[in-house]
Amino acid sequence: GAVVSQHPSWVICKSGTSVKIECRSLDFQATTMFWYRQFPKQSLMLMATSNEGSKATYEQGVEKDKFLINHASLTLSTLTVTSAHPEDSSFYICSARRDVDYEQYFGPGTRLTVT
Amino acid sequence: GQNIDQPTEMTATEGAIVQINCTYQTSGFNGLFWYQQHAGEAPTFLSYNVLDGLEEKGRFSSFLSRSKGYSYLLLKELQMKDSASYLCAGVDSNYQLIWGAGTKLIIKP
Repeated sequence: GAVVSQHPSWVICKSGTSVKIECRSLDFQATTMFWYRQFPKQSLMLMATSNEGSKATYEQGVEKDKFLINHASLTLSTLTVTSAHPEDSSFYICSARRDVDYEQYFGPGTRLTVT
Repeated sequence: GQNIDQPTEMTATEGAIVQINCTYQTSGFNGLFWYQQHAGEAPTFLSYNVLDGLEEKGRFSSFLSRSKGYSYLLLKELQMKDSASYLCAGVDSNYQLIWGAGTKLIIKP
């Protein structure tokens, strides 16, 4: 149990286009989900905290208009990278915090390459 | 402020034992996680400590001392596949994870 999926696993897009990444908790409810970004050889960097039914909370330095987050249900959060640029190329990882015990489970990550 | 400190890199020999230390300062404390992350992959859960003491799970053990703000991850009988980054993360009063930068563990034959 406690599986989190992400889709797509990897995506290549052209500069200026938008990309949507989905994060799903498959067998548990998660009122709160987290979106992380990880550049090569660096640690995870929290981008935003996504709460079902309310606006996401963004970390300092993360542009909310560029990284749109929608947490429409207790099992799904989406991150949309709008007008992507090559510097947005990174590994994006979500985690879902299980409501019953607050334990966090990570998705497998999405590798985004912007050309 | 909140802070997690762990060594940047460690090297150990296959079959040996290695201890990765982590010190933490968080606003409130609701436990400490250890995750393993292989290059290019998402982190995977190793352990969660909220009470003082040692918890053992097979070759991996995790220790916590809340009074000292200190934890360690102990890996025994090291295997080449244990080469990875090991991330320490403290849980603050808002149940947010505060991440360390990770310790890259290199295993040599």
